[in-house]
Amino acid sequence: LAKTTQPISMDSYEGQEVNITCSHNNIATNDYITWYQQFPSQGPRFIIQGYKTKVTNEVASLFIPADRKSSTLSLPRVSLSDTAVYYCPVGRRGRETGANNLFFGTGTRLTVIP
Amino acid sequence: NAGVTQTPKFQVLKTGQSMTLQCAQDMNHNSMYWYRQDPGMGLRLIYYSASEGTTDKGEVPNGYNVSRLNKREFSLRLESAAPSQTSVYFCASSEAWGLTGTGGAYEQYFGPGTRLTVT
Repeated sequence: LAKTTQPISMDSYEGQEVNITCSHNNIATNDYITWYQQFPSQGPRFIIQGYKTKVTNEVASLFIPADRKSSTLSLPRVSLSDTAVYYCPVGRRGRETGANNLFFGTGTRLTVIP
Repeated sequence: NAGVTQTPKFQVLKTGQSMTLQCAQDMNHNSMYWYRQDPGMGLRLIYYSASEGTTDKGEVPNGYNVSRLNKREFSLRLESAAPSQTSVYFCASSEAWGLTGTGGAYEQYFGPGTRLTVT
């Protein structure tokens, strides 16, 4: 299975840029890399996905090296509301015409300090 | 537009009892999923349904059954609950491969979860 490995926790001051790394050594050729955010007592929420190089959206950037065995989520200028657990599940197609399955690791607990 | 809804929010069962967790989505998604999350752990896929009429096993299917009742609803049944099934259960939905949402093919939308305790 394409499980992922991340730092257990990180602290950052408000207003700083935060980079969270993820290792996915068993990633397969057609797998995608995704990042999700989870607040306590809520389901995960999609942040960003990518296949290779760099992807940017309105909330984050995702950096993926050429070998694709790791990735880095970059959050610019974090605020207190960014305190959450961040997961980097590998995305893999479950069937020829259907589901896009996610394989989660244990996540990184980010704490933003005032 | 409620997104993904789950019932109940909380449930306590005795060992050996059965129950069904309900999930519904109003986003017209083809694919639906059931996950469990144990304390301090990531999510693990129990079962998924690529489209109406199909279901497949995920990583941890033992002790569970599912039914894709229609395109909107996907239920998870515990026939004989065990303490090892104490967990938080999340339902999710997504577009099928080739039909991407604004985030991409792997953007899944999760419900609020059901916290299940088996004593």
